[in-house]
Amino acid sequence: DSGVTQTPKHLITATGQRVTLRCSPRSGDLSVYWYQQSLDQGLQFLIQYYNGEERAKGNILERFSAQQFPDLHSELNLSSLELGDSALYFCASSPTIGLAGNEQYFGPGTRLTVT
Amino acid sequence: AQTVTQSQPEMSVQEAETVTLSCTYDTSESDYYLFWYKQPPSRQMILVIRQEAYKQQNATENRFSVNFQKAAKSFSLKISDSQLGDAAMYFCAYKVRGGATNKLIFGTGTLLAVQP
Repeated sequence: DSGVTQTPKHLITATGQRVTLRCSPRSGDLSVYWYQQSLDQGLQFLIQYYNGEERAKGNILERFSAQQFPDLHSELNLSSLELGDSALYFCASSPTIGLAGNEQYFGPGTRLTVT
Repeated sequence: AQTVTQSQPEMSVQEAETVTLSCTYDTSESDYYLFWYKQPPSRQMILVIRQEAYKQQNATENRFSVNFQKAAKSFSLKISDSQLGDAAMYFCAYKVRGGATNKLIFGTGTLLAVQP
């Protein structure tokens, strides 16, 4: 158990809908990262937050957004869902940014299926 | 841009034998970290081992060791005395040291099967 929690574990929804994925980082970790794992794109970095502020963006679609709250939990919002958004979405956390060697601890992931 | 390449989509090893998974990367940075993550059927991402680019000594964690060749930009993972529980997808990952972000760049993965 990495200490990172994600809810829900599974989500099935229809095209055009909006969903929210939730992540609670390890106790004390200030950074949260979101990754998408799909069959055709592999594991890709989406976005990073540090202590409530956005720090880096990767290949995140405009239909997707995220935020990190004062209690450090984070939410990833996916809207106007398409079939291609079906994937495993991981959240990871680490204690600091910009310092060497901080491993990222991954949550169990949320499996999103868009039908 | 940094890239990570795993050229072996699938590998197979007999229980108790040794297997080596390959990874190459491309970067213009001189200081960075390399990682191997394991993803078993449960889909959990588990950190197996990490290597700091500034260290010449290869990292070792129990039955797992790496062969880090900085000039060749190669980072292979050796699993000794393979066990059935080692069967999983293995991802090589890269992260620049000291950057504004700690984002990981992953390879496409190698699916390892362990034969009893």
